[in-house]
Amino acid sequence: DARVTQTPRHKVTEMGQEVTMRCQPILGHNTVFWYRQTMMQGLELLAYFRNRAPLDDSGMPKDRFSAEMPDATLATLKIQPSEPRDSAVYFCASGLVPPENYGYTFGSGTRLTVV
Amino acid sequence: GDSVTQMEGPVTLSEEAFLTINCTYTATGYPSLFWYVQYPGEGLQLLLKATKADDKGSNKGFEATYRKETTSFHLEKGSVQVSDSAVYFCALSQGATNKLIFGTGTLLAVQP
Repeated sequence: DARVTQTPRHKVTEMGQEVTMRCQPILGHNTVFWYRQTMMQGLELLAYFRNRAPLDDSGMPKDRFSAEMPDATLATLKIQPSEPRDSAVYFCASGLVPPENYGYTFGSGTRLTVV
Repeated sequence: GDSVTQMEGPVTLSEEAFLTINCTYTATGYPSLFWYVQYPGEGLQLLLKATKADDKGSNKGFEATYRKETTSFHLEKGSVQVSDSAVYFCALSQGATNKLIFGTGTLLAVQP
């Protein structure tokens, strides 16, 4: 089965450090999402792209977060500087629109801990 | 804005018990509805979907019917197994943006 690959799986970093999370979407998928999962807030949509163009990043704290798709095989989410409240699991998902056909495929996530 | 409300968990059941997880939604227009499942340490997987009123989605013994009159999409299974223990998320797709809006998730724990 085709998979969405996220790296790293786990990351522990100190407050103030830069964190970069990477996602390799499934080949041929034209839509990529970044979600953040916490116990308190559940699943929050941070940003998403279609055909590599950012469509909406209104869910993302702009002062410290940035999301890019330098090419069709890579999406990145950066946090600089990181803060303890950023500790969460970050998921990437990819798919074809509309989702009614096949849904979106999620990666296994990056568990980020900021100490 | 559009939103999804799920019953609070955890839901604890014995093996072979009947499962219902309630989900209601608020949306403009006619969204498509989904159930996703998340096993421990993994990402979300699509479980089933329904795209219009009265549609029934089904997969692996789970079912959910799109009820427009009650704006609901409750998940059911006739006989749960220990392997069904997971977090279940109800979601809707939001119009032209095709974003998925998720509920808070419901933890299901099935005991032998």
